[in-house]
Amino acid sequence: AQSVTQLGSHVSVSEGALVLLRCNYSSSVPPYLFWYVQYPNQGLQLLLKYTSAATLVKGINGFEAEFKKSETSFHLTKPSAHMSDAAEYFCAVSDRRGSGTYKYIFGTGTRLKVLA
Amino acid sequence: GAVVSQHPSRVICKSGTSVKIECRSLDFQATTMFWYRQFPKQSLMLMATSNEGSKATYEQGVEKDKFLINHASLTLSTLTVTSAHPEDSSFYICSAPGGYNEQFFGPGTRLTVL
Repeated sequence: AQSVTQLGSHVSVSEGALVLLRCNYSSSVPPYLFWYVQYPNQGLQLLLKYTSAATLVKGINGFEAEFKKSETSFHLTKPSAHMSDAAEYFCAVSDRRGSGTYKYIFGTGTRLKVLA
Repeated sequence: GAVVSQHPSRVICKSGTSVKIECRSLDFQATTMFWYRQFPKQSLMLMATSNEGSKATYEQGVEKDKFLINHASLTLSTLTVTSAHPEDSSFYICSAPGGYNEQFFGPGTRLTVL
């Protein structure tokens, strides 16, 4: 069975500092991996996704993530935090079954706080 | 990217009434849609998979008679919370799949049952 673990339910960084949000996955098959951001009372917005094309994935708003199979990790980073980055971040894993039959498993989320 | 809408965005109802939430794919067709439930400060939990032209598939522990799902067309899925109670108050989010197993999420519906 697939699972996702996000270490740290709350992360605080200073504006301009490095952002590192951790995600470890468990999957019996090569996974698809995703990072989503959620602002209060809103749906989820895709930041980036790993689909095996490249291990270092660049997303929107300056975020990137690196897929490390040996560590079963897909940590999200951003070199310099901005106040607008404050939000909830979710890591998700999906298996590689046929289109329309897959499911997402979400991590428990990490709330990012950016300090002025 | 593809757009998924939900209606209403917020609904308040009395205990015992039923509430219908619509999920629409605006610029693409979706034979499958997913319904999630999110409690405050928690993650999204998949409730069911909605299938156009067939019965929905419910996750373990989700009452199918409580949460009725109808996938009436290739662009519309509805979730009806029947005989709602305060414990059903939550944020309900739908999604529809795109390429590479990506899902496009609706903006969510905040349900409050008094």
